[in-house]
Amino acid sequence: QQQVKQSPQSLIVQKGGISIINCAYENTAFDYFPWYQQFPGKGPALLIAIRPDVSEKKEGRFTISFNKSAKQFSLHIMDSQPGDSATYFCAANNQAGTALIFGKGTTLSVSS
Amino acid sequence: DSGVTQTPKHLITATGQRVTLRCSPRSGDLSVYWYQQSLDQGLQFLIQYYNGEERAKGNILERFSAQQFPDLHSELNLSSLELGDSALYFCASSHSGRTDTQYFGPGTRLTVL
Repeated sequence: QQQVKQSPQSLIVQKGGISIINCAYENTAFDYFPWYQQFPGKGPALLIAIRPDVSEKKEGRFTISFNKSAKQFSLHIMDSQPGDSATYFCAANNQAGTALIFGKGTTLSVSS
Repeated sequence: DSGVTQTPKHLITATGQRVTLRCSPRSGDLSVYWYQQSLDQGLQFLIQYYNGEERAKGNILERFSAQQFPDLHSELNLSSLELGDSALYFCASSHSGRTDTQYFGPGTRLTVL
């Protein structure tokens, strides 16, 4: 019940295309859903986050869509660029509202 | 740059040894979290400290321990090291002890030979 399931494991997208990464959770007590971006040799960096009181949040080319009834949320990267090539992690906070529970990650490659 | 610093960047040691990883949180952040990242397990939460007190525990082995000092820096101690402890260890910090943005440091890569 504490898991966050992320798919796909890897993704190849053409430059200018849309990258879509999906996550699903089971614990209805989760109330904070961030996405992190990680480049090789670096720590994860917060990209965008959403709370379940909204269904969508957009920041630049990055959009989170949230479906509370389905317990799913997804990251859309519009106009994907080679510089977006990285590993993306979805996460959710645990019931105590402290530590983050991470998905397994999606390695995105944007080809030019 | 997240403002979270971790030392050392790399650590190579032998099985059975003990090591200490150090983390300095962002200025003003009271909470420190430790995570372990490995290829097979992904990012796993180990332990959280808030203003010097242990706040939450995750999948932390008994051989591992941590503390947060009065100046809010934190240390993660790993003892009786095994080959399987080889991983990236990240420290993150946040302002409060509840749900808010966690800022991650650059990590310490531990290799146990």
